[in-house]
Amino acid sequence: AQSVTQLDSHVSVSEGTPVLLRCNYSSSYSPSLFWYVQHPNKGLQLLLKYTSAATLVKGINGFEAEFKKSETSFHLTKPSAHMSDAAEYFCVVTRTLDSNYQLIWGAGTKLIIKP
Amino acid sequence: NAGVMQNPRHLVRRRGQEARLRCSPMKGHSHVYWYRQLPEEGLKFMVYLQKENIIDESGMPKERFSAEFPKEGPSILRIQQVVRGDSAAYFCASSPGDRAGLNFGAGTRLSVL
Repeated sequence: AQSVTQLDSHVSVSEGTPVLLRCNYSSSYSPSLFWYVQHPNKGLQLLLKYTSAATLVKGINGFEAEFKKSETSFHLTKPSAHMSDAAEYFCVVTRTLDSNYQLIWGAGTKLIIKP
Repeated sequence: NAGVMQNPRHLVRRRGQEARLRCSPMKGHSHVYWYRQLPEEGLKFMVYLQKENIIDESGMPKERFSAEFPKEGPSILRIQQVVRGDSAAYFCASSPGDRAGLNFGAGTRLSVL
């Protein structure tokens, strides 16, 4: 069965320092993986997705994530945090091989940016 | 091209009342999906609809919840006789096909008093 675990419920970094949001997954096949961001009282925006092409995926707003099969991880990184990055981030895996909507969501990581 | 539009953004209902949540998909999208987000949790799939058809309702509670996506007009998620446990954020997403990525709306936050 597929599952996804976001290892930190809150991450706090200073503006201008690197961001690391951790995600581990469990899957019986090679899954599609996504990162979504949710700003307060806003909708969910797709940051990036991995679909078995390049293992290093670049997304919007300077974020990127690396798919590591040996570690079953898909951590999200950004070299330099900006105040506007403060939001909640969700790691998502597809539940089945051929479904785009049967998604398993992590519990989310709240990213706090200190001035 | 407007994104997925959901209304109302916030809905307050008393126990026993009905809640109707509306979702207008992006232009050209005929696939609509509803998800529920409870506090401190990720989204849980509820139902997948195409025009006039329910494709997958495996995530819908068996009672009080229904969804439709008529030929004309928005998709509606209807919750009858709401209870406090229905308080959550309900998100709608749309896509142009069953293999395409999902575009999410801003959600409707339902509060049951």
